[in-house]
Amino acid sequence: GESVGLHLPTLSVQEGDNSIINCAYSNSASDYFIWYKQESGKGPQFIIDIRSNMDKRQGQRVTVLLNKTVKHLSLQIAATQPGDSAVYFCAENITPDKLIFGTGTRLQVFP
Amino acid sequence: EPEVTQTPSHQVTQMGQEVILRCVPISNHLYFYWYRQILGQKVEFLVSFYNNEISEKSEIFDDQFSVERPDGSNFTLKIRSTKLEDSAMYFCASTATNEKLFFGSGTQLSVL
Repeated sequence: GESVGLHLPTLSVQEGDNSIINCAYSNSASDYFIWYKQESGKGPQFIIDIRSNMDKRQGQRVTVLLNKTVKHLSLQIAATQPGDSAVYFCAENITPDKLIFGTGTRLQVFP
Repeated sequence: EPEVTQTPSHQVTQMGQEVILRCVPISNHLYFYWYRQILGQKVEFLVSFYNNEISEKSEIFDDQFSVERPDGSNFTLKIRSTKLEDSAMYFCASTATNEKLFFGSGTQLSVL
């Protein structure tokens, strides 16, 4: 199928803590994955991507981990800040011209 | 930083009316997309467009929907006869390499 799902609809963390947002995907043929951040009233904003030939990729304060064996993707945010509060979506390219989004996880950061 | 721009930001229409949503993708991009998001739900793929033709479309993108790139800068989504269930936020996106899509801020369509 084409489903991309998220385990937790809401994640609450304290400022300064690390956040981990998880995602399960079902299409084993997908070879490219992206994490997007969406703030209220705005379009999705690219955070980080990873190809299926990699297990891990790091950006600024963010790390994406890919476990192809169990078809699992995670986004780790280090030292979470109030500005990180948003809905986070994982997405997969099930074909080169079709990016499918997951359900989304709301991240709430408390002072 | 270049960005995808969408107009209008809000569109209110009567059921059965035609609407055209407009997008100006990033200038050197070659792949264009429309997505929609019903309030509180996930972002849903509608259509992808490359080399002046549709590459992929979803089940949502039926005969009431069409896309066009009328000139070198605009990319439009037309809904011929709107239904109540077409009410959603519509996002345009573009990319140079069919990866790393850049999204606009969206058009909120309300069908009354």
